[in-house]
Amino acid sequence: TAGITQAPTSQILAAGRSMTLRCTQDMRHNAMYWYRQDLGLGLRLIHYSNTAGTTGKGEVPDGYSVSRANTDDFPLTLASAVPSQTSVYFCASSAGDTQYFGPGTRLTVL
Amino acid sequence: QKEVEQDPGPLSVPEGAIVSLNCTYSNSAFQYFMWYRQYSRKGPELLMYTYSSGNKEDGRFTAQVDKSSKYISLFIRDSQPSDSATYLCAMSSGGSNYKLTFGKGTLLTVNP
Repeated sequence: TAGITQAPTSQILAAGRSMTLRCTQDMRHNAMYWYRQDLGLGLRLIHYSNTAGTTGKGEVPDGYSVSRANTDDFPLTLASAVPSQTSVYFCASSAGDTQYFGPGTRLTVL
Repeated sequence: QKEVEQDPGPLSVPEGAIVSLNCTYSNSAFQYFMWYRQYSRKGPELLMYTYSSGNKEDGRFTAQVDKSSKYISLFIRDSQPSDSATYLCAMSSGGSNYKLTFGKGTLLTVNP
């Protein structure tokens, strides 16, 4: 079982460009999450989805959008990237209180 | 006051030492408590999950919850160099909202 996969592994992006970070899970979990992790700030929730077709805003949603068309996929889109969005992005899923994380995408916005 | 406080360290110990990692929290609604381990350049992985006050043991790891003091701990016995990682505490109030509140993590190095 792959669990959660994320793509790409890393990316360098020019400021102002758009990008979609992909996340797929094969555990049939209802809930999915996107976090960013920055040194000294820890994990911060960007957006979440409790079930397919619904999404919600987390702690730091500005500049990001998500969609949840089906149970398995939860893409995160940066419409117009800015340098402050340089971070490591983790996708997670859960069927209850425990969350399972993907390997992360390391994004640098120049 | 932040909802969850965790000393970022870094913490450096010799191999074989007993390690104690701690978090305090302010939200009395938290009922579910977790510890995650994160190796460098990897995603967090669930290490321990506890509900209610008391101790839970799994091999060399013991998770302790004291709800009256709003304090949780993770103890590592006979620490190994392979335990070197960042340890994050996380907690949830449960119900239909599965969102977790994380501590910022403690960086642990176990020296051979």
